[in-house]
Amino acid sequence: SQQGEEDPQALSIQEGENATMNCSYKTSINNLQWYRQNSGRGLVHLILIRSNEREKHSGRLRVTLDTSKKSSSLLITASRAADTASYFCATEDSGAGSYQLTFGKGTKLSVIP
Amino acid sequence: DTGVSQNPRHKITKRGQNVTFRCDPISEHNRLYWYRQTLGQGPEFLTYFQNEAQLEKSRLLSDRFSAERPKGSFSTLEIQRTEQGDSAMYLCASSKDAQETQYFGPGTRLLVL
Repeated sequence: SQQGEEDPQALSIQEGENATMNCSYKTSINNLQWYRQNSGRGLVHLILIRSNEREKHSGRLRVTLDTSKKSSSLLITASRAADTASYFCATEDSGAGSYQLTFGKGTKLSVIP
Repeated sequence: DTGVSQNPRHKITKRGQNVTFRCDPISEHNRLYWYRQTLGQGPEFLTYFQNEAQLEKSRLLSDRFSAERPKGSFSTLEIQRTEQGDSAMYLCASSKDAQETQYFGPGTRLLVL
């Protein structure tokens, strides 16, 4: 079953603008990971944020985590056409002995040149 | 570090046939995961290995599915008597340890006619 819910489901912006995607989840987690997927391809790992962290940065990416609200956000600054892809959040549930990831349905981002 | 590789990348088969997919994880990664992704959805967990031991299987993994990881290196996923509902992208991921980043391969796209 899907745990995470990304919001919005689709987002269209102009090149150079910032893009913000949100993720909500339901259970206690060890960490939350964001991935990018280009059409028909595998998933590329972007950032892992642990449950005791509140914010992480990587290049043009900024991820926040609010465990009290069970939510996370991914901000992409100064977007480029190459950022066009689907973005997924995935949670590693603290109660799952396998440490499997539970994914949402993703946000489809379109960056218009 | 050559990343996670999967073969074949695409497979078309007729209903009732058996298919086998292979995953080569990043070397020295102890944990290996299989996920399945259908169109418009996020990946869903199927099963995972710690070294050569298969430690958890999802309820999605019917009796027609079997996975192995001999010697704790590469893994195979076999689907027997394929059905049209098995059509999906099958993704493999590996991680060094629990609560660490899972790195995904490019996936095997299966189409059952």
